[in-house]
Amino acid sequence: QSALTQPRSVSGSPGQSVTISCTGTSSDVGGYNNVSWYQQHPGKAPKLMIYDVYKRPSGVPDRFSGSNSGNTASLTISGLQAEDEADYYCCSYAGSYTFPFVFGTGTKLTVL
Amino acid sequence: QISLKESGPTLVKPTQTLTLTCTFSGFSLSTTEVGVGWIRQPPGKALEWLALIYWDDDKRYSPSLKSRLTITKDTSKNQVVLRMTNMDPVDTATYFCAHLNWGSAPQHWGQGTLVTVSS
Repeated sequence: QSALTQPRSVSGSPGQSVTISCTGTSSDVGGYNNVSWYQQHPGKAPKLMIYDVYKRPSGVPDRFSGSNSGNTASLTISGLQAEDEADYYCCSYAGSYTFPFVFGTGTKLTVL
Repeated sequence: QISLKESGPTLVKPTQTLTLTCTFSGFSLSTTEVGVGWIRQPPGKALEWLALIYWDDDKRYSPSLKSRLTITKDTSKNQVVLRMTNMDPVDTATYFCAHLNWGSAPQHWGQGTLVTVSS
Protein backbone atom coordinates (compact mmCIF):
# COMPACT_ATOMS: atom_id res chain seq x y z
CA GLN A 1 0.00 0.00 0.00
CA SER A 2 1.93 3.02 -1.30
CA ALA A 3 1.30 6.66 -0.52
CA LEU A 4 -0.75 8.58 -3.07
CA THR A 5 1.31 10.93 -5.25
CA GLN A 6 0.90 14.67 -4.91
CA PRO A 7 3.03 17.50 -6.33
CA ARG A 8 5.55 18.68 -3.80
CA SER A 9 4.48 22.31 -4.13
CA VAL A 10 2.09 24.63 -5.96
CA SER A 11 1.73 28.38 -5.86
CA GLY A 12 -0.62 31.12 -6.94
CA SER A 13 -1.35 34.78 -6.44
CA PRO A 14 -4.27 36.09 -4.40
CA GLY A 15 -7.50 35.78 -6.35
CA GLN A 16 -6.16 33.09 -8.67
CA SER A 17 -7.11 29.41 -8.73
CA VAL A 18 -4.83 26.45 -8.09
CA THR A 19 -5.38 22.74 -8.48
CA ILE A 20 -3.62 20.02 -6.51
CA SER A 21 -3.61 16.50 -7.90
CA CYS A 22 -3.58 13.21 -6.03
CA THR A 23 -2.72 10.11 -8.02
CA GLY A 24 -3.31 6.60 -6.82
CA THR A 25 -4.40 3.31 -8.31
CA SER A 26 -7.56 1.41 -9.11
CA SER A 27 -7.27 -0.09 -5.61
CA ASP A 28 -7.77 3.26 -3.92
CA VAL A 29 -8.53 6.56 -5.68
CA GLY A 30 -9.86 4.90 -8.81
CA GLY A 31 -11.84 2.24 -7.01
CA TYR A 32 -13.95 4.29 -4.63
CA ASN A 33 -15.68 7.67 -4.54
CA ASN A 34 -14.06 8.20 -1.19
CA VAL A 35 -11.27 10.76 -1.35
CA SER A 36 -10.80 13.39 1.31
CA TRP A 37 -8.62 16.48 1.46
CA TYR A 38 -7.01 18.02 4.51
CA GLN A 39 -5.51 21.45 5.09
CA GLN A 40 -2.73 21.70 7.67
CA HIS A 41 -1.18 24.88 8.95
CA PRO A 42 2.20 24.69 10.72
CA GLY A 43 1.96 23.19 14.19
CA LYS A 44 -1.73 22.43 13.80
CA ALA A 45 -3.81 19.31 13.32
CA PRO A 46 -5.14 18.60 9.83
CA LYS A 47 -8.55 20.07 9.01
CA LEU A 48 -10.99 18.22 6.77
CA MET A 49 -11.83 20.36 3.73
CA ILE A 50 -13.39 17.86 1.31
CA TYR A 51 -14.78 14.34 1.74
CA ASP A 52 -16.36 11.79 -0.61
CA VAL A 53 -14.48 13.45 -3.51
CA TYR A 54 -16.46 16.72 -3.62
CA LYS A 55 -18.49 17.22 -0.43
CA ARG A 56 -17.64 20.07 1.94
CA PRO A 57 -18.06 19.88 5.73
CA SER A 58 -20.05 22.66 7.30
CA GLY A 59 -18.03 25.86 7.50
CA VAL A 60 -15.64 25.14 4.63
CA PRO A 61 -15.82 27.90 2.00
CA ASP A 62 -17.16 26.95 -1.43
CA ARG A 63 -13.87 28.21 -2.86
CA PHE A 64 -12.67 24.67 -2.12
CA SER A 65 -13.88 22.02 -4.53
CA GLY A 66 -12.95 18.44 -5.32
CA SER A 67 -13.23 16.12 -8.27
CA ASN A 68 -11.77 12.90 -9.60
CA SER A 69 -11.07 11.23 -12.89
CA GLY A 70 -9.81 7.69 -13.11
CA ASN A 71 -7.02 7.18 -10.61
CA THR A 72 -6.47 10.90 -9.98
CA ALA A 73 -8.37 13.15 -7.60
CA SER A 74 -8.04 16.92 -7.57
CA LEU A 75 -8.55 19.75 -5.13
CA THR A 76 -9.19 23.17 -6.62
CA ILE A 77 -8.98 26.34 -4.59
CA SER A 78 -10.41 29.38 -6.30
CA GLY A 79 -10.10 33.01 -5.23
CA LEU A 80 -6.87 32.27 -3.37
CA GLN A 81 -6.44 34.03 -0.06
CA ALA A 82 -3.36 34.44 2.09
CA GLU A 83 -4.79 32.13 4.75
CA ASP A 84 -5.00 29.30 2.23
CA GLU A 85 -1.21 28.96 2.42
CA ALA A 86 -0.74 25.59 4.07
CA ASP A 87 0.08 21.95 3.42
CA TYR A 88 -2.63 19.86 1.77
CA TYR A 89 -3.02 16.10 1.99
CA CYS A 90 -5.35 13.78 0.16
CA CYS A 91 -6.59 10.58 1.73
CA SER A 92 -8.33 7.73 -0.07
CA TYR A 93 -10.31 4.75 1.06
CA ALA A 94 -8.50 1.60 -0.01
CA GLY A 95 -10.98 -1.16 0.74
CA SER A 96 -11.90 -3.20 3.77
CA TYR A 97 -9.58 -6.17 3.28
CA THR A 98 -6.41 -4.42 4.31
CA PHE A 99 -5.65 -1.11 5.95
CA PRO A 100 -8.62 0.96 4.78
CA PHE A 101 -6.99 4.36 4.16
CA VAL A 102 -3.91 5.83 2.56
CA PHE A 103 -2.60 9.40 2.64
CA GLY A 104 -0.98 11.38 -0.11
CA THR A 105 2.58 12.68 -0.01
CA GLY A 106 1.43 16.22 0.72
CA THR A 107 1.57 19.52 -1.20
CA LYS A 108 2.83 22.86 0.05
CA LEU A 109 0.63 25.69 -1.25
CA THR A 110 2.32 29.07 -1.36
CA VAL A 111 0.24 32.21 -1.89
CA LEU A 112 2.55 34.65 -3.62
CA GLN B 1 -19.14 18.33 20.35
CA ILE B 2 -16.42 15.81 19.58
CA SER B 3 -12.97 16.31 21.04
CA LEU B 4 -9.91 14.14 21.38
CA LYS B 5 -6.63 14.56 23.23
CA GLU B 6 -3.45 12.56 23.07
CA SER B 7 -1.27 11.93 26.11
CA GLY B 8 1.94 10.08 26.81
CA PRO B 9 5.68 10.58 27.15
CA THR B 10 7.40 13.30 25.19
CA LEU B 11 10.74 11.50 25.25
CA VAL B 12 11.50 7.81 24.92
CA LYS B 13 14.78 5.98 24.56
CA PRO B 14 15.63 3.74 21.61
CA THR B 15 14.34 0.16 22.01
CA GLN B 16 11.74 1.25 24.57
CA THR B 17 7.99 0.78 24.13
CA LEU B 18 5.83 3.86 23.56
CA THR B 19 2.36 3.93 25.07
CA LEU B 20 0.00 6.69 23.98
CA THR B 21 -3.52 7.31 25.21
CA CYS B 22 -6.29 9.05 23.29
CA THR B 23 -9.01 10.37 25.59
CA PHE B 24 -12.14 11.53 23.84
CA SER B 25 -15.57 13.00 24.46
CA GLY B 26 -18.67 13.71 22.42
CA PHE B 27 -19.04 10.16 21.07
CA SER B 28 -18.97 6.56 22.21
CA LEU B 29 -16.83 3.76 20.84
CA SER B 30 -19.73 1.42 21.46
CA THR B 31 -21.78 3.17 18.76
CA THR B 32 -22.08 1.25 15.51
CA GLU B 33 -19.62 2.32 12.78
CA VAL B 34 -17.56 4.58 15.03
CA GLY B 35 -13.79 4.25 15.11
CA VAL B 36 -10.62 5.89 16.40
CA GLY B 37 -7.39 6.00 14.47
CA TRP B 38 -3.78 6.92 15.13
CA ILE B 39 -1.75 8.90 12.61
CA ARG B 40 1.79 10.24 12.93
CA GLN B 41 3.81 12.94 11.23
CA PRO B 42 7.60 13.15 11.46
CA PRO B 43 8.91 16.73 11.53
CA GLY B 44 8.58 18.26 8.07
CA LYS B 45 7.17 15.07 6.60
CA ALA B 46 3.84 13.63 5.51
CA LEU B 47 1.01 12.10 7.50
CA GLU B 48 1.18 8.35 8.02
CA TRP B 49 -1.56 6.02 9.19
CA LEU B 50 -0.65 3.73 12.07
CA ALA B 51 -3.71 1.89 13.36
CA LEU B 52 -7.50 1.91 13.63
CA ILE B 53 -9.98 0.38 16.01
CA TYR B 54 -13.71 0.21 15.45
CA TRP B 55 -16.75 -0.09 17.69
CA ASP B 56 -16.85 -3.85 17.18
CA ASP B 57 -13.17 -4.25 18.18
CA ASP B 58 -12.09 -4.68 14.55
CA LYS B 59 -8.44 -3.62 14.54
CA ARG B 60 -6.39 -2.58 11.53
CA TYR B 61 -2.66 -1.92 11.40
CA SER B 62 -0.35 -0.29 8.89
CA PRO B 63 1.24 -3.23 7.04
CA SER B 64 4.72 -1.73 7.43
CA LEU B 65 4.42 -1.32 11.21
CA LYS B 66 2.04 -4.13 12.09
CA SER B 67 4.57 -6.18 14.04
CA ARG B 68 5.27 -3.27 16.40
CA LEU B 69 1.77 -1.94 17.05
CA THR B 70 -1.07 -2.81 19.39
CA ILE B 71 -4.27 -0.81 19.62
CA THR B 72 -6.90 -1.31 22.33
CA LYS B 73 -10.00 0.47 23.54
CA ASP B 74 -11.61 1.04 26.92
CA THR B 75 -15.17 2.03 26.13
CA SER B 76 -16.03 2.78 29.74
CA LYS B 77 -13.17 5.28 30.02
CA ASN B 78 -13.59 6.72 26.50
CA GLN B 79 -9.98 5.91 25.75
CA VAL B 80 -7.95 4.25 23.02
CA VAL B 81 -4.39 3.15 23.70
CA LEU B 82 -1.64 2.64 21.14
CA ARG B 83 1.54 0.71 21.97
CA MET B 84 4.55 0.80 19.70
CA THR B 85 7.50 -1.41 20.54
CA ASN B 86 11.20 -1.09 19.78
CA MET B 87 11.20 2.66 19.28
CA ASP B 88 13.88 4.18 17.05
CA PRO B 89 14.92 7.78 16.38
CA VAL B 90 13.10 7.59 13.01
CA ASP B 91 9.87 7.21 15.01
CA THR B 92 10.24 10.79 16.27
CA ALA B 93 6.99 12.41 15.22
CA THR B 94 3.81 14.15 16.25
CA TYR B 95 1.24 11.48 17.00
CA PHE B 96 -2.45 12.29 16.39
CA CYS B 97 -5.59 10.40 17.25
CA ALA B 98 -8.79 11.00 15.31
CA HIS B 99 -12.47 10.07 15.28
CA LEU B 100 -13.90 8.46 12.19
CA ASN B 101 -16.94 6.63 10.96
CA TRP B 102 -16.55 3.29 9.18
CA GLY B 103 -15.50 3.89 5.58
CA SER B 104 -14.97 7.64 6.04
CA ALA B 105 -11.76 9.54 6.63
CA PRO B 106 -11.52 11.30 9.98
CA GLN B 107 -13.03 14.73 10.50
CA HIS B 108 -12.19 15.26 14.14
CA TRP B 109 -8.57 15.22 15.27
CA GLY B 110 -6.71 15.69 18.51
CA GLN B 111 -4.10 18.41 18.80
CA GLY B 112 -1.27 15.91 18.51
CA THR B 113 1.62 15.09 20.83
CA LEU B 114 5.28 15.27 19.86
CA VAL B 115 7.28 12.19 20.79
CA THR B 116 11.06 12.35 20.52
CA VAL B 117 13.13 9.18 20.46
CA SER B 118 16.62 9.80 21.73
CA SER B 119 19.10 8.33 24.16
